[in-house]
Amino acid sequence: AQKVTQAQTEISVVEKEDVTLDCVYETRDTTYYLFWYKQPPSGELVFLIRRNSFDEQNEISGRYSWNFQKSTSSFNFTITASQVVDSAVYFCALTENNAGNMLTFGGGTRLMVKP
Amino acid sequence: DGGITQSPKYLFRKEGQNVTLSCEQNLNHDAMYWYRQDPGQGLRLIYYSQIVNDFQKGDIAEGYSVSREKKESFPLTVTSAQKNPTAFYLCASSVGAGGWNEQFFGPGTRLTVL
Repeated sequence: AQKVTQAQTEISVVEKEDVTLDCVYETRDTTYYLFWYKQPPSGELVFLIRRNSFDEQNEISGRYSWNFQKSTSSFNFTITASQVVDSAVYFCALTENNAGNMLTFGGGTRLMVKP
Repeated sequence: DGGITQSPKYLFRKEGQNVTLSCEQNLNHDAMYWYRQDPGQGLRLIYYSQIVNDFQKGDIAEGYSVSREKKESFPLTVTSAQKNPTAFYLCASSVGAGGWNEQFFGPGTRLTVL
């Protein structure tokens, strides 16, 4: 069965600090997809990134970057020069190719960026 | 504007009453989903529908029911059989049911059972 673990339940940083959110996953499928979503205080989940299991290339989008390592089953998310607006709960999620589009979410990491 | 709407944002019901949560999308997506979120926890899948007139149980379907009579609508009924219905409910949709399709989420409905 698939499983996603976000060991950090809460992280607090001061603005402009870099912060990394960890995500470790388990799956028996060789084809799978990993996602990161942001949930601001309003509650709506916002899609950030998708990665398929065949693409281990790291990705950078502005201040956001993602490190996908199949060898350690990890898909970590780094925010560089954090800002107060980054304060939110961040979810890592997984779907297996054979499971349709049934997302399995991690427990989430609450990030608090203080001014 | 294209998107997903959920109404109402806050809902209060007495214990033992059935309640229906609305979810509408105008994105022309085939697949729709319902998730439940409890405080400090991740989302858990209740039901999903890959196409009109078809739906499947997720991980925690007991005490819930759905219908998918129209492509754009996927209402969720929380029945009196659901033992702990107070939670935040999120609806989502995706272009198709393949695993590579990202899901787009609505603003959610916070249900409180008194």
